[in-house]
Amino acid sequence: TQLLEQSPQFLSIQEGENLTVYCNSSSVFSSLQWYRQEPGEGPVLLVTVVTGGEVKKLKRLTFQFGDARKDSSLHITAAQPGDTGLYLCARSQGNLIFGKGTKLSVKP
Amino acid sequence: NAGVTQTPKFRVLKTGQSMTLLCAQDMNHEYMYWYRQDPGMGLRLIHYSVGEGTTAKGEVPDGYNVSRLKKQNFLLGLESAAPSQTSVYFCASSWRGVRRGGSEETQYFGPGTRLLVL
Repeated sequence: TQLLEQSPQFLSIQEGENLTVYCNSSSVFSSLQWYRQEPGEGPVLLVTVVTGGEVKKLKRLTFQFGDARKDSSLHITAAQPGDTGLYLCARSQGNLIFGKGTKLSVKP
Repeated sequence: NAGVTQTPKFRVLKTGQSMTLLCAQDMNHEYMYWYRQDPGMGLRLIHYSVGEGTTAKGEVPDGYNVSRLKKQNFLLGLESAAPSQTSVYFCASSWRGVRRGGSEETQYFGPGTRLLVL
């Protein structure tokens, strides 16, 4: 099993700040998904990236897939308390393999 | 549509007891999955099913059994619960495993079942 490393593990910021979280692997991904999990709920898919160098935007969230397809990042602009949650990346390896996640807390 | 529902939401068991977790989906999805989520471990796949009447082992299948007698339901059984099975269990479903072009299909998750084994 090829591991997915997510960093940072925890992040606590003030409302309005920008942040970036990362997802890395030593091997190439065929595709990568980002999920957000709010406290007490199941994960919800945010985006799927497939092509090396791909950039996708979802309102204030920007997702980037590395050129070599071994890494991905999620950038949030002007974070809001509603962005609080666990951000998980997952790669397809027969079935989905999830990273351990970045736990984000955005304080008002 | 309710999406993916899980029953029960919370359960406390004593070591050695048995129980069944029920997952139901109303999206006519072929694929269904059971995961467990533990602090610092992320989501790990227990068992999955690619269609009615089929099941397969995931990453951490030991101590669990599953059945998919109906397309819309996927049951996870613990025959003899152990404290190591204390976890949050998530069920998910997807239309299929991999899309044309190779990217993974979207998985839709239920709200989870919190299980405490004493």
